[in-house]
Amino acid sequence: GNSVTQMEGPVTLSEEAFLTINCTYTATGYPSLFWYVQYPGEGLQLLLKATKADDKGSNKGFEATYRKETTSFHLEKGSVQVSDSAVYFCALLVRDTGRRALTFGSGTRLQVQP
Amino acid sequence: EADIYQTPRYLVIGTGKKITLECSQTMGHDKMYWYQQDPGMELHLIHYSYGVNSTEKGDLSSESTVSRIRTEHFPLTLESARPSHTSQYLCASSESAGSSYEQYFGPGTRLTVT
Repeated sequence: GNSVTQMEGPVTLSEEAFLTINCTYTATGYPSLFWYVQYPGEGLQLLLKATKADDKGSNKGFEATYRKETTSFHLEKGSVQVSDSAVYFCALLVRDTGRRALTFGSGTRLQVQP
Repeated sequence: EADIYQTPRYLVIGTGKKITLECSQTMGHDKMYWYQQDPGMELHLIHYSYGVNSTEKGDLSSESTVSRIRTEHFPLTLESARPSHTSQYLCASSESAGSSYEQYFGPGTRLTVT
């Protein structure tokens, strides 16, 4: 089956620190990969995505590269801000299934201190 | 900006009551989904729909039911609420065609059954 494994949180960083949140996956087909972010009291928002190997998704200073050889999609940001405090979810979607439903990791809570 | 709405945002209800969680989207998307998010943050697919009059059970067994009479509307119903139904429920939608695969999420309904 399909599964996503994320590093456990919470991850606590000081403002302007470098962020890495690890994500690895297993998939029965060729997946598209996503990072979603959930701010307190809100739904999920798409942060970035990559649809094929070696693609790099980027948005708001966050980046992740689709690594097929290591089945990974690690999220990075060079300098975090307090406003980045949220829960981050890695997810995959296998394109050859009609339902196109996401498989999520368990989420990683990021806390950025001023 | 995603145009997907959920009501109510918060609901506290007694055991045995019947409830309906509303979800509507104005993007004309064929595919719609319900996810259940447990207190540990994990998200699990409980229902999905390919289009009008099409509904399927998801990966996590749920006592809830859904209907899809109109493209834009995908309500979830619990006939008799129990404390084990306490959770956050997230609705999402996506396009049927194309390569985007992006799912748009509503803000969620936080349900507490006492």
